[in-house]
This record gives sequence, C-alpha cells and structure tokens, in this order.
Amino acid sequence: EIVMTQSPATLSVSPGERATLSCRASESVGSDLAWYQQKPGQAPRLLMHTASIRATGIPARFSGRGAGTEFTLTISSLQSEDFAIYYCQQYNNKSPITFGQGTRLETK
Amino acid sequence: QVHLVESGGGVVQPGRSLRVSCAASGFSFSFFAMHWVRQAPGKGLEWVAVISFDGSNKNYPDSVKGRFIISRDNTKNTLYLQMNSLKTEDTAVYYCARDPNSGWLDSWGQGTPVTVSS
Repeated sequence: EIVMTQSPATLSVSPGERATLSCRASESVGSDLAWYQQKPGQAPRLLMHTASIRATGIPARFSGRGAGTEFTLTISSLQSEDFAIYYCQQYNNKSPITFGQGTRLETK
Repeated sequence: QVHLVESGGGVVQPGRSLRVSCAASGFSFSFFAMHWVRQAPGKGLEWVAVISFDGSNKNYPDSVKGRFIISRDNTKNTLYLQMNSLKTEDTAVYYCARDPNSGWLDSWGQGTPVTVSS
C-alpha cells in the first residue's frame, strides 16, 4: 500500500496571503494525485486531479504541482472560504486508493 | 446536476450487519465506477470499496475485505454497501462517490452515519 504523508498538519495563514500544502507518496504515483477540500459538516470536494488539473468550477487561485513522490497545492491569495481541511489522494493502479491524513488550513 | 444521496445508516451492535445505499441521479449512473469512503469522528478519509461501472470488478482495503460487500443495481441507479461482522472501529460517516473511471472522485454524497456500539 502506498502511504501518503501531508505536511504540515496545521497551517496558519492570513487572508490574502499564499498557502502551500505538501503531500508526499511512499513510492512513485506518477501524476495520479488528487486534492480535496473539506469544510466542517460537509462532504469533501474535488479540487484537482492528475496532480495539476483543476476540477470544474475551481477558481484559478488554486494550483497543483508535482510528480512521482512530491506534490504541492498552492492557494495564491487566501479567501475566507478557503479555510478548511485539505486531503491528497493517490489513485495509481499499483495500489489501493489511499488518502493523506489532511492539512488543516486556519486563519492566522 | 449530479446528485448522490446516501441512506440506511444508524446504530448497530458489534457483530451485526447493516446495509447502506446511495441513490444517484443527474448523470448516467451505469457509465461510472463508484466508491465508498468513510470518515471516523474527528479523523481523516479512508477508502472502503470500489465497483466498476458494470459491477464486474470490485476491490477493498484489507481493513474491510471479507466483511464488506459493494454492489450496484444499474436499473435502479443505486449503489449499496453490505457491512457484516461490524466492529466498533467501523463507526464513521459513510460517503458514496463517483469515479469517472480514472481513480479520482469527482462528486460525493452528503454521507450517512454508522455507529457500532453495544
């Protein structure tokens, strides 16, 4: 099983600033990496797939980079609605689907 | 508009069984793979099961293999998860999610809570 590790566990950033979240895979997943956003009491929402492709309706301030084992999600200018928990997920067919443990993005 | 609505959650004793359902609408259900993902209270996401668009392929993580069974009825646009031999650690909100046959999950239901407790 491929283990996904996200860092940091909690990130404190002020509105309007940039946030960068990291996700590392225990072995290469190519570009088979998705990002999700989850707000309290809500289901997760797909933000990004194939490491860098924004899902339908996701604003351009969200961007994804990386391949192999190292990935990042960047939010260029944080809006109030962006404070949430973010999960990465690998879907490489070498392994069952696995999620990272999440990064909580909170207001500084 | 894609709509996924889970139902059937509740409180069940350890060792008992429960079946949860997911009613799909707003898209061609029979064209998509489907997943169950769960989230224990205050915890992260855990993938539970996947079924191919036609039901011919299924897969599970070791934590539920042999106890949980995923199935679908494409004539009723409904996904199911039969959970047997339930354990307290199966307590979670269970989400169904759509997979465009690529591995990522592009639409999620609102979830149904399952509590396993004596």
